[in-house]
Amino acid sequence: AQSVTQPDIHITVSEGASLELRCNYSYGATPYLFWYVQSPGQGLQLLLKYFSGDTLVQGIKGFEAEFKRSQSSFNLRKPSVHWSDAAEYFCAVGAPDSWGKFQFGAGTQVVVTP
Amino acid sequence: KAGVTQTPRYLIKTRGQQVTLSCSPISGHRSVSWYQQTPGQGLQFLFEYFSETQRNKGNFPGRFSGRQFSNSRSEMNVSTLELGDSALYLCASSLGTTFTDTQYFGPGTRLTVL
Repeated sequence: AQSVTQPDIHITVSEGASLELRCNYSYGATPYLFWYVQSPGQGLQLLLKYFSGDTLVQGIKGFEAEFKRSQSSFNLRKPSVHWSDAAEYFCAVGAPDSWGKFQFGAGTQVVVTP
Repeated sequence: KAGVTQTPRYLIKTRGQQVTLSCSPISGHRSVSWYQQTPGQGLQFLFEYFSETQRNKGNFPGRFSGRQFSNSRSEMNVSTLELGDSALYLCASSLGTTFTDTQYFGPGTRLTVL
């Protein structure tokens, strides 16, 4: 069964600084990988996804993620953080044998300081 | 295009009661998945419906059930509520025709059990 680990529960970053959120997955084949963001009291918004092909994926809001098969990782990055990026970020993995079921990581809370 | 809508947004019930939550998917989407989100357990998959049929289910007790109507709207029912059922219930819709279809989430229903 697939699993997802987000090692960082909480990250504090200064506005304008770069951000990297870590995600490690466990799955036998190439998984379907996603990053979602959740603002307080809101549902989840898709930032980007990876299924195959180019391992560097561009998403919305200036985010990108890189798939590294050798490290079983799918880390999310943003070069310059804005105060509006404060939210909780979830990495998720889907599998080709499991309709509708994503395995989510525990989430990383991002706090942006002035 | 309208997003996924969930009603009601907030609900307060007492132990032993039952509750029904509703989810209207994005127009044209035939798959609806349900998730439970709690601070302790994170996001957990409940079940997925496609064309009125349950295709997948998670590891929840039989008190949790769902159904989907011919217009793809879905309902989730929880009977004999327990304090531990207090959570944010999220539904997500997708086309549901391939495993790579993106899931789009609604804002959730916040259920509080007293």
